[in-house]
Amino acid sequence: QVQLVQSGAEVKKPGASVKVSCKASGYTFTGYYMHWVRQAPGQGLEWMGWINPNSGGTNYAQKFQGRVTVTRDTSISTAYMDLSGLRSDDTAVYYCARDLSGGSTHMDVWGTGTTVSVSS
Amino acid sequence: QSVLTQPPSVSAASGQKVTVSCSGSSSNIGNNYVSWYQQLPGTAPKLLIYDSDKRPSGIPDRFSGSKSGTSATLGITRLQTGDEADYYCGTWDNSLSSVVFGGGTKLTVL
Repeated sequence: QVQLVQSGAEVKKPGASVKVSCKASGYTFTGYYMHWVRQAPGQGLEWMGWINPNSGGTNYAQKFQGRVTVTRDTSISTAYMDLSGLRSDDTAVYYCARDLSGGSTHMDVWGTGTTVSVSS
Repeated sequence: QSVLTQPPSVSAASGQKVTVSCSGSSSNIGNNYVSWYQQLPGTAPKLLIYDSDKRPSGIPDRFSGSKSGTSATLGITRLQTGDEADYYCGTWDNSLSSVVFGGGTKLTVL
C-alpha cells in the first residue's frame, strides 16, 4: 500500500537546523510532487513548499524562503526537508504529503508526522 | 491570520446535516480548485474532497463539496460521532504562489 514514513521526533536548540526525512513506498516516487506542511500545537495547517522528485525542482512559501531546503534521493525514494535558524515558534509537527497529480496542490497521502521541538 | 476564512466551529445533531464554509478571493478560490481535509484528533489530515467537488476512492458520499465564486462549502450528511474532527479547506493562491489553507473548523456532533 501507498505510505509515507517519516523520521522520528527531534529536539533542537534555537539557531540549530533540523532535517526531516520522508520515505515513500507503494508507488513510483518520481511520479508525484511531494509537499511539506507543518502544524504548530493547537494551530492550523501551514504549507512550506514542494519538490518535484523527478526534476528536483522546488517551490517554497515566501515565509520560509532562505530557511528551508527540500531535496530528494530517488535511489531510496526519500524526500528531505531541512529547516535552519530554528526558533521556538518552529515547534510543530511536520508532515510530508503526496500531491494527487502533477502539482494539483491536492494532497492525497500524508506522512506519519515528525514532531520538532525547539527549546533552549 | 489565514488567507482562507473558515468558521472556528460548527455543530449539529447526530444523523443531521452540517455545512462548513471557506471564503477566499479571486487570487485563490475564485480561480483554482479547492480541497478539503479531515483531521481526527492526534492524526494526520486526510483528503476528503479535491477539485472542489470530487471524492477520492473510499470517501463516503455523505461528504460533498461545492464552489461558487470565491467561496467553497463542505457538506456532511447523516452525521456520526466519528465525524467529530477538524476540517480544513485548501487551494493555490496565484498572488502568493503558495498553497493556502483555512484556519480550520472544529465539528461537534451533538
